[in-house]
Amino acid sequence: ETGVTQTPRHLVMGMTNKKSLKCEQHLGHNAMYWYKQSAKKPLELMFVYSLEERVENNSVPSRFSPECPNSSHLFLHLHTLQPEDSALYLCASSQVGGFTNTEAFFGQGTRLTVV
Amino acid sequence: GQQLNQSPQSMFIQEGEDVSMNCTSSSIFNTWLWYKQDPGEGPVLLIALYKAGELTSNGRLTAQFGITRKDSFLNISASIPSDVGIYFCAGRDRGANSKLTFGKGITLSVRP
Repeated sequence: ETGVTQTPRHLVMGMTNKKSLKCEQHLGHNAMYWYKQSAKKPLELMFVYSLEERVENNSVPSRFSPECPNSSHLFLHLHTLQPEDSALYLCASSQVGGFTNTEAFFGQGTRLTVV
Repeated sequence: GQQLNQSPQSMFIQEGEDVSMNCTSSSIFNTWLWYKQDPGEGPVLLIALYKAGELTSNGRLTAQFGITRKDSFLNISASIPSDVGIYFCAGRDRGANSKLTFGKGITLSVRP
């Protein structure tokens, strides 16, 4: 496995369900991100983890709960979502600080549909 | 908040043609990035620009960091069918740890 991998690729869930999105990076990066991509809108940054600590939370509703158990894994726990939460959820990683910085590498995304 | 403007929303060109797209902002950015997103995939970084006036190429792609630091341009020469996709610009206004602001993207279609 290389790069940034996300599972599942597609997810359909009811508004009362609880599900989790998983992201794994194999690039040795120290920062990971969740973005939301809705049609005809710019990518929206949701959460940033740097060195496994959450450093940014862009006023995301509490029905989205991130978890970063180590620098290679990132989860997004979902519960009682709304239909307007249907979107493509993208995970990304990068290397920040030190002598080598890299720009964000994105995973393929999870297409989430809330019914 | 900061916004990056990309227009038009869609572009249609003939295979073999060159195409140019730009990205503008009302505020200054210190880094400009161009990403491409294929259908069903995540964005992939095409070109990164870190200095005002910088001109960088990646194969048939050329991008420039505007001298005012408020805009950037991406040119694709001799387009081919696999150039189809959504092209996003992104900007960063401070150091490497500051967050990216993305444009809405331009969907490019290439007619064979």
